[in-house]
Amino acid sequence: AQSVTQLDSQVPVFEEAPVELRCNYSSSVSVYLFWYVQYPNQGLQLLLKYLSGSTLVKGINGFEAEFNKSQTSFHLRKPSVHISDTAEYFCAVRNTGFQKLVFGTGTRLLVSP
Amino acid sequence: SQTIHQWPATLVQPVGSPLSLECTVEGTSNPNLYWYRQAAGRGLQLLFYSVGIGQISSEVPQNLSASRPQDRQFILSSKKLLLSDSGFYLCAWATGGSYEQYFGPGTRLTVT
Repeated sequence: AQSVTQLDSQVPVFEEAPVELRCNYSSSVSVYLFWYVQYPNQGLQLLLKYLSGSTLVKGINGFEAEFNKSQTSFHLRKPSVHISDTAEYFCAVRNTGFQKLVFGTGTRLLVSP
Repeated sequence: SQTIHQWPATLVQPVGSPLSLECTVEGTSNPNLYWYRQAAGRGLQLLFYSVGIGQISSEVPQNLSASRPQDRQFILSSKKLLLSDSGFYLCAWATGGSYEQYFGPGTRLTVT
């Protein structure tokens, strides 16, 4: 069965510093990949998605992610974070032909001044 | 544009009481619908999904059930709540042709 690993449960970072949130998935077959953000007591908002084509995907709020098929990774990056980026970030994967997403356990990004 | 509603936003219920959470989607037809639960400090657990009226797939055996009485309405129910049912319940939708899911604002359930 497909699984998603987010190794870092919490990532503290100072404002304006770069950040990378790591995501690895288990399956080597064709997949679709997603990053979602969740602010406290809210639903999940789609940040970006990889379906096919260019391995570097740009999303909202200045985030980007790179799909690496050989390493089965889809790490999320931002060159300069803001206080408002403090939130929980979830990586998700969907096998082609399936209707379900499999989520990682999430990474809490804590941005301090 | 499409929107998704969930209610109530928060709910406090005693152990053993019934539960009914509702989710409705506007602006799309025949969506796939999903119920997730998010326990404190944990990821998302898929509970149920539906690809059409009356079609429910259960992912986790438990004392919860789901129904889809109308095309854009998805209901999560329980006859008797347990303490372990506490959590943040999220409804999501996707069209058959899309790859991502879109989430509602969630319902915070506390079972006391």
